[in-house]
Amino acid sequence: NAGVTQTPKFQVLKTGQSMTLQCAQDMNHNSMYWYRQDPGMGLRLIYYSASEGTTDKGEVPNGYNVSRLNKREFSLRLESAAPSQTSVYFCASSQQGGGYGYTFGSGTRLTVV
Amino acid sequence: QKEVEQDPGPLSVPEGAIVSLNCTYSNSAFQYFMWYRQYSRKGPELLMYTYSSGNKEDGRFTAQVDKSSKYISLFIRDSQPSDSATYLCAMSATGANSKLTFGKGITLSVRP
Repeated sequence: NAGVTQTPKFQVLKTGQSMTLQCAQDMNHNSMYWYRQDPGMGLRLIYYSASEGTTDKGEVPNGYNVSRLNKREFSLRLESAAPSQTSVYFCASSQQGGGYGYTFGSGTRLTVV
Repeated sequence: QKEVEQDPGPLSVPEGAIVSLNCTYSNSAFQYFMWYRQYSRKGPELLMYTYSSGNKEDGRFTAQVDKSSKYISLFIRDSQPSDSATYLCAMSATGANSKLTFGKGITLSVRP
């Protein structure tokens, strides 16, 4: 039972490069989320998808785009990476909304130099 | 005022101590209350889940919710070095479009 799978686990980018973080869940969840976690800042929501076919901005969406490819997959794209985007990125999913809790992936550690 | 406030820590205790972790919140619509545990370099995992007010016990862990005071707590009895982690409180209102609101987390270290 894989749960939420994120790839890659580690990545180093140069400023201005682009990349896509992949996330897939096998729990038939409707909602998916992307967070970043920085020291002293806690988890901050970047984008979320309440259901297949919908996406919405979270607290810190600037510099990111997302695609809900199908019910299982939700990708996060950095079009032109900046050092301020150095962070640990977590994908999460839930059955529907927050009341059931989220299942998190193991994270992607991204460094932008 | 942020919707969810959590003691920033860090917190260091000796093995065997009783640990009390707390969060306060301002949104009276919150009905679901959770605690997540996050080990170093791992993703958060759901530790305790409570609906509305009251207590819930699971082994050495007890979660308490006091909606009248807008205050939730997690107690860890007979703390172990394996409990060393970051603990995040999280809460949500009802509804399909609700989202979890997280505290910033507190890092706990249990000294052998």
